[in-house]
Amino acid sequence: DAGVIQSPRHEVTEMGQEVTLRCKPISGHDYLFWYRQTMMRGLELLIYFNNNVPIDDSGMPEDRFSAKMPNASFSTLKIQPSEPRDSAVYFCATHPGQGVNTEAFFGQGTRLTVV
Amino acid sequence: SQQGEEDPQALSIQEGENATMNCSYKTSINNLQWYRQNSGRGLVHLILIRSNEREKHSGRLRVTLDTSKKSSSLLITASRAADTASYFCATDEAAAGNKLTFGGGTRVLVKP
Repeated sequence: DAGVIQSPRHEVTEMGQEVTLRCKPISGHDYLFWYRQTMMRGLELLIYFNNNVPIDDSGMPEDRFSAKMPNASFSTLKIQPSEPRDSAVYFCATHPGQGVNTEAFFGQGTRLTVV
Repeated sequence: SQQGEEDPQALSIQEGENATMNCSYKTSINNLQWYRQNSGRGLVHLILIRSNEREKHSGRLRVTLDTSKKSSSLLITASRAADTASYFCATDEAAAGNKLTFGGGTRVLVKP
């Protein structure tokens, strides 16, 4: 398996534009997490899914953020409209979730810059 | 909100010395995990310790867990310049179905 694949790796967009970040999880992993990393706030959990169903979205900062997992092979995080303060590195991570003691596997992240 | 808090926030040591960092958390956990992040890269899992374990070793890494104090420590022995990275603890919350939340991290600089 190629691991967790995120795209794009880098995204520069203008304020007000819609941004869509993509994640392809490791096959067979039941859990998918979206994190945001900034210097000021560290690594924040935004939302996570179990078997494609959102379990906890309490970390989603505001209504401008939405996430979907239409099937087990794909998830998106969308920001509409984007703002400069959304600039961060966004990570997707997955883990098997078959037992309670499993590690998570991270993608390489998407570095988002909103100007 | 962050479940784990780590200290120190930054650590600078000479090659060959040991590096110790600590993590405190708030809720009951299934396990606690440590990850490493090199600059500009994703996080890589280092070691996992279950809630019923007190100490675990992996190569030059030693992790302890004290559930009564809700704290953990990561020791890197005989550090190398290549150990320079940020280290994060993460907790798998017992009541939240594999919810994995991270601390603020410790930036470690190992000087050759």
